Amino acid sequence: GAGVSQTPSNKVTEKGKYVELRCDPISGHTALYWYRQSLGQGPEFLIYFQGTGAADDSGLPNDRFFAVRPEGSVSTLKIQRTERGDSAVYLCASSSPGLDTQYFGPGTRLTVL
Amino acid sequence: GQSLEQPSEVTAVEGAIVQINCTYQTSGFYGLSWYQQHDGGAPTFLSYNALDGLEETGRFSSFLSRSDSYGYLLLQELQMKDSASYFCAVIKGSARQLTFGSGTQLTVLP
Repeated sequence: GAGVSQTPSNKVTEKGKYVELRCDPISGHTALYWYRQSLGQGPEFLIYFQGTGAADDSGLPNDRFFAVRPEGSVSTLKIQRTERGDSAVYLCASSSPGLDTQYFGPGTRLTVL
Repeated sequence: GQSLEQPSEVTAVEGAIVQINCTYQTSGFYGLSWYQQHDGGAPTFLSYNALDGLEETGRFSSFLSRSDSYGYLLLQELQMKDSASYFCAVIKGSARQLTFGSGTQLTVLP
């Protein structure tokens, strides 16, 4: 079956601009996670959704970052007033109810110039 | 706080066996996962240990000792395609979020 998909695969923007990154999880997966990975590091947790609600947003670095999942499936990560330090690969993962295995999408490489 | 430690680099030859160790310090621990990531690719799930002991999946095995806060990934019959970064990650918290180590770069030589 289809895995986790993310769009766009690459996004180049200018400092101060607004960006939206999209994640389409595996069908039937109620848990959805966003992570951020900088070069040479492991992914870092940003936010977790169970269904439509953000159950844990403790990893969001500041209030410029926001994510939604209005219908409990597709999620959008929104970054306002982007800064060069936001440049990273943004990964989305989903997992099946009651299971701890997370499956990752290919990521969106964000570059802020 | 929480931290994971794993070697930054490991080199081995085709056909060999390699073990990548991971030690962790964390609260609210549920289990230890291992992921493989090729350059430019997504992390790919390899294994998950919630209980002490050895889990075997084909050429890959993973071990966990909760009392020692220690685990390892064992790769047998190494192939060139196994060259990649390998991450251990603890599963913790009510969100069951993953906290990753910095990764081990495995290079398999012919």
